[in-house]
Amino acid sequence: KNEVEQSPQNLTAQEGEFITINCSYSVGISALHWLQQHPGGGIVSLFMLSSGKKKHGRLIATINIQEKHSSLHITASHPRDSAVYICAVSKMNYGGSQGNLIFGKGTKLSVKP
Amino acid sequence: KAGVTQTPRYLIKTRGQQVTLSCSPISGHRSVSWYQQTPGQGLQFLFEYFSETQRNKGNFPGRFSGRQFSNSRSEMNVSTLELGDSALYLCASSLDLFGESYEQYFGPGTRLTVT
Repeated sequence: KNEVEQSPQNLTAQEGEFITINCSYSVGISALHWLQQHPGGGIVSLFMLSSGKKKHGRLIATINIQEKHSSLHITASHPRDSAVYICAVSKMNYGGSQGNLIFGKGTKLSVKP
Repeated sequence: KAGVTQTPRYLIKTRGQQVTLSCSPISGHRSVSWYQQTPGQGLQFLFEYFSETQRNKGNFPGRFSGRQFSNSRSEMNVSTLELGDSALYLCASSLDLFGESYEQYFGPGTRLTVT
């Protein structure tokens, strides 16, 4: 079983819809990251969170540490949101290492006009 | 501030050859991590460097190695290339002060094709 599981794997939405992508993990973490990858490969960090909730524009990320679960929400989705969204965790490591991310398989989102 | 840069962007090599990829982190970032992305395995952690020391290593064979220089620039090397090494290789840098979690900034990647 993967240490980071995402659902759904694929998601098609109509422009304007509210979108939710879920991420569950099975290890102790120091932080959880939501990443966006467009065709061509470039990865952009959307959020890094270790508790609670963060919001950037139309994007909202929440995390429940007790449940080991995080969600990424996109409000009023737009075709330019079409991309692969990847959940990744930094495993709790008392040696100070934070750069060894463990990734989910990603959610491919397509938003139709 | 300039972002993370990687060179070269594209590379074609033959089985058995070796390759060196380069990553220049954002100025002031001391941590550099390397990742491999393939269609089958997705994104996997290769190694992480901090202040010229390898701090963590993923589950890859010894053919994969790396180093970090005093200016935080990093290189990774793959020797005796195999077809399965064809992948997008990404590096990411972060500020990493006092061992706390910081956002990672990714480079555009190097797409390696092994024939």
